[in-house]
Amino acid sequence: GENVEQHPSTLSVQEGDSAVIKCTYSDSASNYFPWYKQELGKGPQLIIDIRSNVGEKKDQRIAVTLNKTAKHFSLHITETQPEDSAVYFCAAIKGSYIPTFGRGTSLIVHP
Amino acid sequence: SQTIHQWPATLVQPVGSPLSLECTVEGTSNPNLYWYRQAAGRGLQLLFYSVGIGQISSEVPQNLSASRPQDRQFILSSKKLLLSDSGFYLCAWTGAQNTEAFFGQGTRLTVV
Repeated sequence: GENVEQHPSTLSVQEGDSAVIKCTYSDSASNYFPWYKQELGKGPQLIIDIRSNVGEKKDQRIAVTLNKTAKHFSLHITETQPEDSAVYFCAAIKGSYIPTFGRGTSLIVHP
Repeated sequence: SQTIHQWPATLVQPVGSPLSLECTVEGTSNPNLYWYRQAAGRGLQLLFYSVGIGQISSEVPQNLSASRPQDRQFILSSKKLLLSDSGFYLCAWTGAQNTEAFFGQGTRLTVV
């Protein structure tokens, strides 16, 4: 089955810096890669996603890149703000199969 | 639009008591439904998933069970709770191929 590795487990940055979270997947047939943000005590919410026919996608301060050959994808947050502090999950999905999630990254943005 | 409801938000139960957490989905039909547990360490542990009414697959052997009595209803149960059942439980659904998973707001269960 699919295996998703996510790094780092904790990321601490100063406000205004950039943050990068990386994930690798094992199944080359996976073709949909969403990213979720989970605030304390709440369920994860989708923030951005990318499909395998696209190499990069951007939405304001958030961007995701995908390297199909290397089987890795990354989340980039620029100009971080304290409200970006949360746990972030990546996932890899193949067709209608069960989503496989990374173990999460705790992002801490210091004012 | 599709929505997912999960309740209760918080629950404190004594050891040995029963458990019933409910999740319902609106605005879609024949969703795949999931129960996850999130203990300390942040990871999402898949407990059960269902691809249709009455169809339940268990990912880990444990003190819990799941049922899907209706197309858009998913229930997590236990006959006798253990201390180790404490955690944050999340219900989720996915639709057609290559779509995101939508999560409920979670239930914080504390077994005392």
